[in-house]
Amino acid sequence: DVKVTQSSRYLVKRTGEKVFLECVQDMDHENMFWYRQDPGLGLRLIYFSYDVKMKEKGDIPEGYSVSREKKERFSLILESASTNQTSMYLCASSRGLAGGQETQYFGPGTRLLVL
Amino acid sequence: GIQVEQSPPDLILQEGANSTLRCNFSDSVNNLQWFHQNPWGQLINLFYIPSGTKQNGRLSATTVATERYSLLYISSSQTTDSGVYFCAVDTGAQKLVFGQGTRLTINP
Repeated sequence: DVKVTQSSRYLVKRTGEKVFLECVQDMDHENMFWYRQDPGLGLRLIYFSYDVKMKEKGDIPEGYSVSREKKERFSLILESASTNQTSMYLCASSRGLAGGQETQYFGPGTRLLVL
Repeated sequence: GIQVEQSPPDLILQEGANSTLRCNFSDSVNNLQWFHQNPWGQLINLFYIPSGTKQNGRLSATTVATERYSLLYISSSQTTDSGVYFCAVDTGAQKLVFGQGTRLTINP
């Protein structure tokens, strides 16, 4: 079974803090993704990566950065957390098949509260 | 960008009832997927269905790509079916756009 793990289920931070959310997948997947989920808005793509050291902006990258130094690990960074970044953050991975016709596997999510 | 709309936003049913969830999308897509998010937040893929009909036990899904909609059918609902159901369309290169979800509550 594919396993995607996230470093924390719940996290409380203060405005202005630097926040790291870690995601690890154990299936040698090429692609990794970060989403945020807010009530009434569904999931929105923040950043994604098709390969080590490669990153692409999603639909809402402002206020976030990412790092992928190893294939299995994809980190989301909030350089200076703000209250409007309070949300549920979900990481996902996929194999990276040619043509992209495949599903994504999701981690359990991190609920971040910024005070 | 592409718009994805799901209906209804909320659905409350008794155990044993059948339900139909709808997903409309505003443009041609490479692929469409249905996900279930359980009450603990875990998102699981149910169907990968760019067109046609698929069935898996009590669940089935139909996508009519030419008319830009997909339907998810749940028959003989169980309390474990509760949660939020999302459809997501792939606009290319695995970039998924999600609908806002349908929250399903199955009461015993």
